[in-house]
Amino acid sequence: GQNIDQPTEMTATEGAIVQINCTYQTSGFNGLFWYQQHAGEAPTFLSYNVLDGLEEKGRFSSFLSRSKGYSYLLLKELQMKDSASYLCAVIVSNYQLIWGAGTKLIIKP
Amino acid sequence: DTAVSQTPKYLVTQMGNDKSIKCEQNLGHDTMYWYKQDSKKFLKIMFSYNNKELIINETVPNRFSPKSPDKAHLNLHINSLELGDSAVYFCASSQGGELGYGYTFGSGTRLTVV
Repeated sequence: GQNIDQPTEMTATEGAIVQINCTYQTSGFNGLFWYQQHAGEAPTFLSYNVLDGLEEKGRFSSFLSRSKGYSYLLLKELQMKDSASYLCAVIVSNYQLIWGAGTKLIIKP
Repeated sequence: DTAVSQTPKYLVTQMGNDKSIKCEQNLGHDTMYWYKQDSKKFLKIMFSYNNKELIINETVPNRFSPKSPDKAHLNLHINSLELGDSAVYFCASSQGGELGYGYTFGSGTRLTVV
């Protein structure tokens, strides 16, 4: 079967660093997305990893290990506006994505 | 200019009715999708069209029928609405193999069936 696991909820402090993990078991792998979704809004694209390693984009970085079926999203210098759900999605094949349920990140002052 | 626009944003209707949700993208993408996000927040693919051709048709009741008049539009028609159809429906688009730019989502249509 296809499975993506993420923690349901995490809490962090403004200005701190947080790492959101994602593990996957899928029948195929053509890359992994991280998306941000604020309550009541559409998911917005954050990152795409297809090769092992770390991709850095400003305050956000995403890491992938294909052999371990593992990715994480690292958020630095947390701001209150980073409070949102973070969705991990694996591109299985032929435009088909399998989505995790998302990690709700709560930022406290 | 909105990249992926879907209408209506909110839809409240009675069981048994037929309704449509429209989606248009102005990004020049060749692939469009319909997703359903339920109360548990899982995003589930329903349909995918590439250049007006159906390429993904997940296990969805045949009450749901997508229509793509051209590659910039993908509409969703739902017949005989049921309570379980209540969810947020997202339209999305992408450019074929250029996955590095991700999928672009519309703002969603919150459907409530009463």
